[in-house]
Amino acid sequence: NAGVTQTPKFQVLKTGQSMTLQCAQDMNHEYMSWYRQDPGMGLRLIHYSVGAGITDQGEVPNGYNVSRSTTEDFPLRLLSAAPSQTSVYFCASAFSADNPDTQYFGPGTRLTVL
Amino acid sequence: AQSVTQLDSQVPVFEEAPVELRCNYSSSVSVYLFWYVQYPNQGLQLLLKYLSGSTLVKGINGFEAEFNKSQTSFHLRKPSVHISDTAEYFCAVSDRGGGYNKLIFGAGTRLAVHP
Repeated sequence: NAGVTQTPKFQVLKTGQSMTLQCAQDMNHEYMSWYRQDPGMGLRLIHYSVGAGITDQGEVPNGYNVSRSTTEDFPLRLLSAAPSQTSVYFCASAFSADNPDTQYFGPGTRLTVL
Repeated sequence: AQSVTQLDSQVPVFEEAPVELRCNYSSSVSVYLFWYVQYPNQGLQLLLKYLSGSTLVKGINGFEAEFNKSQTSFHLRKPSVHISDTAEYFCAVSDRGGGYNKLIFGAGTRLAVHP
């Protein structure tokens, strides 16, 4: 198993540009999520999904969209990038959405918005 | 909603010394707690978790944590650290607000092990 994969690893955008961060898992996990990591703030949940076709907002959803058309993929879209979105983004997955469970993290995408 | 406080942002320690990383959570009827570790330029990986049962939980790499309900704490300990333990450590609590399981993370503690 590859586990959780994310692309790209690094990205530089200009303010106002759009892009999609890709996330995929091959463990048939029900639950997938996106976090952003900023210094001194830990990880904050952006959006999550409890199955194909079902998504919901986390703590900091503004400026981000998600969709889950398949169990494997959970892309994160930045519609109009802002410097405040400069961060490291992690995708994670877990077997169950209903029960507290270990989350498996991808290697992260480091995004800089100029 | 749940919240997590990691009381130390940085902990310097010498190799082979013991270490304790402190974590407090907001109280709840039922709580599930996790410690994750992040090595430089990598994603997070699970160290250990408390779901129920024994309050002393053992994890990978010689780490252990004790769930203390009366003090709402879940401190992480290791009796003798190695240089390779240098990393950032995150305490997390499972929040079932809204019906689905979400992880709420603390701000992290950077452990620096010196020779």
